[in-house]
Amino acid sequence: DPKIIQKPKYLVAVTGSEKILICEQYLGHNAMYWYRQSAKKPLEFMFSYSYQKLMDNQTASSRFQPQSSKKNHLDLQITALKPDDSATYFCASSLQGADTGQLYFGEGSKLTVL
Amino acid sequence: GEQVEQLPSILRVQERSSASINCTYENSASNYFPWYKQEPGENPKLIIDIRSNMERKQIQGLIVLLDKKAKRFSLHITDTQPADSAMYFCAASVNNNAPRFGAGTKLTVKP
Repeated sequence: DPKIIQKPKYLVAVTGSEKILICEQYLGHNAMYWYRQSAKKPLEFMFSYSYQKLMDNQTASSRFQPQSSKKNHLDLQITALKPDDSATYFCASSLQGADTGQLYFGEGSKLTVL
Repeated sequence: GEQVEQLPSILRVQERSSASINCTYENSASNYFPWYKQEPGENPKLIIDIRSNMERKQIQGLIVLLDKKAKRFSLHITDTQPADSAMYFCAASVNNNAPRFGAGTKLTVKP
């Protein structure tokens, strides 16, 4: 059974719309991350949270907003969607900080923006 | 953050030969260097990692070397098998920051 659950697995959106990608982890980890993978930029770091606080952010656009309602949740809201946002979005988690152990990745949410 | 360069982008080897992937990083404070393998349609999975207090680490047929002076680290897969065919990503982490990944190497092991 996957311990990091991402929903939905696939989604199609129209340009200009808004979507929320859900991520829940049941590994008891304290740090969570979002990465994006596309043909243009493989495994691009977006955000990291530790104990529900933003630790690191490499996403230039404010259209991407992480939301952490609980320690084991880190959702990603994307507004004003553009075709360039099409990618697979991976959620990941680690026990503590990123250099204290491996990241475990979810199975990804594949977003297509038309 | 960190910037990681990874080469080659494509690597084809004959079964039972060795495969080597090289990565360089910019920030001399980077202290953690994981390697991930990603099969088509799947998520990346950690295969081996090395910390800055080590120069070499081996897990079965996987060897990682770290040269801190040159800010370079590498993955060597010995006795490759077709099952080793996949995308491989190196990454580097500075202190407690999220790992930044290289662009990936598509390895194909020909029978």
